[in-house]
Amino acid sequence: ETGVTQTPRHLVMGMTNKKSLKCEQHLGHNAMYWYKQSAKKPLELMFVYNFKEQTENNSVPSRFSPECPNSSHLFLHLHTLQPEDSALYLCASSQDWQRNTGELFFGEGSRLTVL
Amino acid sequence: KNQVEQSPQSLIILEGKNCTLQCNYTVSPFSNLRWYKQDTGRGPVSLTIMTFSENTKSNGRYTATLDADTKQSSLHITASQLSDSASYICVVSFLGGGFKTIFGAGTRLFVKA
Repeated sequence: ETGVTQTPRHLVMGMTNKKSLKCEQHLGHNAMYWYKQSAKKPLELMFVYNFKEQTENNSVPSRFSPECPNSSHLFLHLHTLQPEDSALYLCASSQDWQRNTGELFFGEGSRLTVL
Repeated sequence: KNQVEQSPQSLIILEGKNCTLQCNYTVSPFSNLRWYKQDTGRGPVSLTIMTFSENTKSNGRYTATLDADTKQSSLHITASQLSDSASYICVVSFLGGGFKTIFGAGTRLFVKA
């Protein structure tokens, strides 16, 4: 148990569906992240939120829409996805985005399959 | 270009044996380097973290080394166990305004009985 909880753990959706991934952290951290992990590729940073404000958007397509209502919750809204978007989506948190010694605490991931 | 390269891509060893995983990076200016362990279908979990001034760090049977001059790190696993079967990811952080990190692609380790 890392203190970061992701739901759902598995999701299968069609290209016309709309779904959301949820992440909640119980660590009192101020920064939250979404990463995409595809097979045999490094983790790709998608979005960073620090104190609820988006600080990074790594040129992510608009079919991925993040939402951070407070420092403990992070959502990733999905719509009109493509099959190549199938991957493991990992949420992480850290004490502070500014501190480069901050350790990342990851959730278990949401395995997404787009048909 | 900031990059982190890991080798080998995958490795198979027998239970009880030792192994060493490699990480080379070209990240600058360097802040710290971490090794994460990721079990299949789970999120990565931090094993060790080293800053510029540290050249070795241990966590149980895991020992990480860092050579900041050659920009190389290694993760040595002693007396491997079946539960060590996982992906091991090298992550380098650098100074650039905020939390900047580069992830390696990982080494997939299989420990067989």
